[in-house]
Amino acid sequence: GNSVTQMEGPVTLSEEAFLTINCTYTATGYPSLFWYVQYPGEGLQLLLKATKADDKGSNKGFEATYRKETTSFHLEKGSVQVSDSAVYFCALRTGNQFYFGTGTSLTVIP
Amino acid sequence: EAQVTQNPRYLITVTGKKLTVTCSQNMNHEYMSWYRQDPGLGLRQIYYSMNVEVTDKGDVPEGYKVSRKEKRNFPLILESPSPNQTSLYFCASSGDRSHNYGYTFGSGTRLTVV
Repeated sequence: GNSVTQMEGPVTLSEEAFLTINCTYTATGYPSLFWYVQYPGEGLQLLLKATKADDKGSNKGFEATYRKETTSFHLEKGSVQVSDSAVYFCALRTGNQFYFGTGTSLTVIP
Repeated sequence: EAQVTQNPRYLITVTGKKLTVTCSQNMNHEYMSWYRQDPGLGLRQIYYSMNVEVTDKGDVPEGYKVSRKEKRNFPLILESPSPNQTSLYFCASSGDRSHNYGYTFGSGTRLTVV
C-alpha cells in the first residue's frame, strides 16, 4: 500500500544550525511529494512540492529532492531560525488520495 | 482572502449527541476533504469529495457522514459521537485536478467527546 515514514521528533536545534528531516515513502505508480508545515494553533500550509523524480522543491530556504531510487524526499535547510519552529509533515499524493507522515516537531532555540 | 473556514474551532460534547462541523471554501475548488489528526498517527483521511454530490470514503470513515450539496460547503456529521472521536479535525480543499498545488487547509476544529 501507500505510506509515508518520517523521522520521529522532537528535534531541537540552535539558531543557524543545519536541518534535515528524513522522509521515505512507499507508493504504487508515480506519486507527487509534498512537505507541509503546521505552526501552533493553525492548519497545515504547503511548504514545497515535487511532482516527478529528480525534481527539487524549494521555498523559504527549505529544499527537498524527489529521489525515486531511494524513495526519499528529505527536507533540508542550511540555517534555521526561531521562526521555523513548527511541525513538519511529509506527504504523498497518488490518484485522489493524500497520505501523510506522522509529523516531526522542530524547535529552534536562540 | 482565499481561505477554508471551519466552525467551530473548539467543541466539547457528550457521547451520542449529534453534531456537525461546517467547512466552507471561497476558492471555487472542486475537491474537498476531511482529516483527523491524532498524536503519533499524523493525518488520516475521513472522507473526500471530487465535486457536488460526489463523495467517497477515506481511510477512517466509520462513525462519520458528509454531504456535498453545494460546491463551497462540505460539512462533517457525527450522528452519534463517541470518545474515540475526540481529535483535531481539518478540512482541506484543492482546485487543481492533479493536486500538484496541494491543499489549502482550514484552521482546525478541536473536538472533545465526553
